[in-house]
Amino acid sequence: QVQLQESGPGLVKPSETLSLTCTVSGGSITNSRYYWGWIRQPPGKGLEWIGSIYYSGSTYYNPSLKSRVTISVDTSKNQFSLKLTSVAATDTAVYYCARLTPTFDYWGQGTLVTVSS
Amino acid sequence: QSVLTQPPSLSAAPGQKVTISCSGSTSNIGNNYVSWYQQLPGTAPKLLIYETDRRPSGIPDRFSGSKSDTSATLAITGLQTGDEADYYCATWDTSLSAGRVFGGGTKLTVL
Repeated sequence: QVQLQESGPGLVKPSETLSLTCTVSGGSITNSRYYWGWIRQPPGKGLEWIGSIYYSGSTYYNPSLKSRVTISVDTSKNQFSLKLTSVAATDTAVYYCARLTPTFDYWGQGTLVTVSS
Repeated sequence: QSVLTQPPSLSAAPGQKVTISCSGSTSNIGNNYVSWYQQLPGTAPKLLIYETDRRPSGIPDRFSGSKSDTSATLAITGLQTGDEADYYCATWDTSLSAGRVFGGGTKLTVL
């Protein structure tokens, strides 16, 4: 059974860069059947897709965040990562990583990232 | 404002049937599969329905999905108190370079 686990700082200052990593266990991130993605959920609000990546490095991003987002993959560590630059309070959210099949079938537990000085 | 429109809230009594709607357009629901997720308080979303009407292993047949034109529906029969949760529809949108889109979510209260 595949498992995903997000990790990274829980507090980021405004204007700085949010960095999170998702570690995949129980399966290979290089399985050609899957993409991998990031989704976020501001407190008390709905889900927002951030972007997705294939093990080859091919990416596609939410147009509303594209200018600030970079998703990368490290196949040697079975991980993929998210960087979001120039963060503001509106980026405060629970960030989830998930496997895309093409639906999001397995999710991490999520990690709360708060943007505050 | 979400690309997919869901009712913000619904309520029903235990044992009853409830349907949750998800309205979109030809660039998303109209030409793509729909998924549904259940999110219990404080937990990650859980896949309930994929490819519009298919259930993952372990999801009871009380949950079913359907689609007509540019709208999708999640039906839950024999409501239980444990079904009280937020429900989200999702698909991909060809106008967003095949990006994924979610509905705004529906909070289901089982009275």
